[in-house]
Formats: sequence, C-alpha cells, structure tokens
Amino acid sequence: DVKVTQSSRYLVKRTGEKVFLECVQDMDHENMFWYRQDPGLGLRLIYFSYDVKMKEKGDIPEGYSVSREKKERFSLILESASTNQTSMYLCAARGGLSNEQFFGPGTRLTVL
Amino acid sequence: SQQGEEDPQALSIQEGENATMNCSYKTSINNLQWYRQNSGRGLVHLILIRSNEREKHSGRLRVTLDTSKKSSSLLITASRAADTASYFCATVGAQKLVFGQGTRLTINP
Repeated sequence: DVKVTQSSRYLVKRTGEKVFLECVQDMDHENMFWYRQDPGLGLRLIYFSYDVKMKEKGDIPEGYSVSREKKERFSLILESASTNQTSMYLCAARGGLSNEQFFGPGTRLTVL
Repeated sequence: SQQGEEDPQALSIQEGENATMNCSYKTSINNLQWYRQNSGRGLVHLILIRSNEREKHSGRLRVTLDTSKKSSSLLITASRAADTASYFCATVGAQKLVFGQGTRLTINP
C-alpha cells in the first residue's frame, strides 16, 4: 500500500509566520494533492500536482503556494499565516492509472 | 465547488443494525468512490463503483449507483462500534476528486 506521511500531526504558529507543511509518499505516484478540512465545509482542494515541478490551483489557492521539487515530496507553504488558515490539512497521492487516493494522517494547524 | 452531497449529515444507530448513507451528485461521472475518516485522521478508501455498475459489494459494505438519479448509497450491514467514523463520497472530475461534506456515523454499543 502507498504510505503517505506528513511532517507534523499538530502545529501551532503565530500570525504572519511562514509555515511549511511537508508531505512524502513512497510509491512513486505522479499525482499529489493538498486539501484543507473544516467543519461544515468538507474537504476543499488547495493545490495539486501532476508531476515534478508542475502545480495546479485547486478551489481555494489564495494564501497558499506549493513546491514539488522531487516526485515523492509535495510541500504546502503558507507565506504569511493568518488565523483563518487554522484547519486540518490533508495530503493525498494517486497513481496515474488509479482513481483511489491515499491520504496522509493530516496536520492540525492552529494559527494564533 | 463540491459535487457530492451526503445525506444524512449525521446518523446514530445501535450496534448490529444496518446503516445507510446516501450521496447525490450533479454532473456525469466515470466512477464514484466512498471513503471513511476516523476522528482526527486521514481518509481511507473503501470502495469504487464505476458508472456502468449498479451495485458492488465488499465485505459488509454494499454500494449502489443510480446514474439516472445521480445518486449512490452506502450500506454497512451488522454495524460495529469500530464503524463509528465519517463517510464521504467522491466523484472524479478533471483529474481530481470532489468530496461531499460527509455523513457522521455513530454506532452505539
């Protein structure tokens, strides 16, 4: 099975800080995704990537950027964290011919 | 934009009973997937049903798909306490999955 890991389970940051959320997958999957999950809003796609150095905006990219320098790693960057970015962040990976997405355990980010 | 919408938003039943959750979607699909999320964790893929299939089984799970009504249902038979979780349907659109808001299922011992 694909294993998707995220760098932190819980993270507390202050407003204005630059925040990096790291995601690593170990099965050479082409596609990687970042979602945020909030009560009553479900999962919302922030950014996704088809391949190394490629990125596409999802439904809510504002305030975020991403980096994919290596196939196995997809980083989500909050350039200047704000309190409304307090959320659960979920990373996922999917192979090119597969529809099933494999999720990481999530990072619960609190911005004070 | 979210395509899949689950119903009900929350469901509480006794252990041993069957649980049924419904999902409606808006546009044509190639397949529909169901995922489970335990509290505070990532999502786990449960089952995929293709647009040309009407029913699919996996253990205690039974999924139906009605493309004419743009709806799907997930049935969990003989529920267990460990089935307590949130369940999401997801449809594939433009290389990405679109998730509904989920049904929160609670199994009471």
